[in-house]
Amino acid sequence: QLVESGGGVVQPGGSLRLSCIASGITFSNSAMHWVRQAPGKGLEWVAFTHYDGSDKFYADSVKGRFTISRDNSKNALYLEMNSLRPEDTAVYYCAKDGKYRSSWSWFDPWGQGTLVTVSS
Amino acid sequence: DIQMTQSPSSLSASVGDRLTITCQASQGVKNFLNWYQLKPGKAPKLLIYDASNLETGVPSRFSGSGFGTHFTFTISSLQPEDIATYYCQQYHNLPLTFGPGTKVNIK
Repeated sequence: QLVESGGGVVQPGGSLRLSCIASGITFSNSAMHWVRQAPGKGLEWVAFTHYDGSDKFYADSVKGRFTISRDNSKNALYLEMNSLRPEDTAVYYCAKDGKYRSSWSWFDPWGQGTLVTVSS
Repeated sequence: DIQMTQSPSSLSASVGDRLTITCQASQGVKNFLNWYQLKPGKAPKLLIYDASNLETGVPSRFSGSGFGTHFTFTISSLQPEDIATYYCQQYHNLPLTFGPGTKVNIK
């Protein structure tokens, strides 16, 4: 399973670091993603890291502000979020990529999500 | 970016009804198309991958088909526990993109 933490309320321009701890899955052989859902909106892919952290990709909406990273020794995925904007308010999910050591494919499984609220 | 559209945006059906959701891509994505179920307060769930492959453990009343730009998702006999929002997602190109979702309710 995947368990996210680190969400909360932050002022515009602030920073937050999300964590996702994996158990019961082959974390070190799996690419990982962050996906978010703003209140009342649909799903938006945010970021991807290859299984060994060698490649990382971002949605244009967060490029230059968010950084995805991982620590395979701790089965942990992170999302460092800087220069936060009100439009970053969302539930953030971590998700494992569906294929073994793949580039990207489907998201399975997902965590329960952690809520980030950017507001003054 | 590949834009994904879904129709309808919402629907109401009776228990036991057959329902179909369509998903259209703005350009061809081969069969790189997946379907998810979202329920409030729960982790999203993968139902179908590569357009037509049923994820392990998912009931056989769910199915998917299509290739290229046009895809369909079907629930053959709607059950009360299927009340949710359903999303398609392409992985042919980055950025990975989702459809806007179809909310399914019981009449």
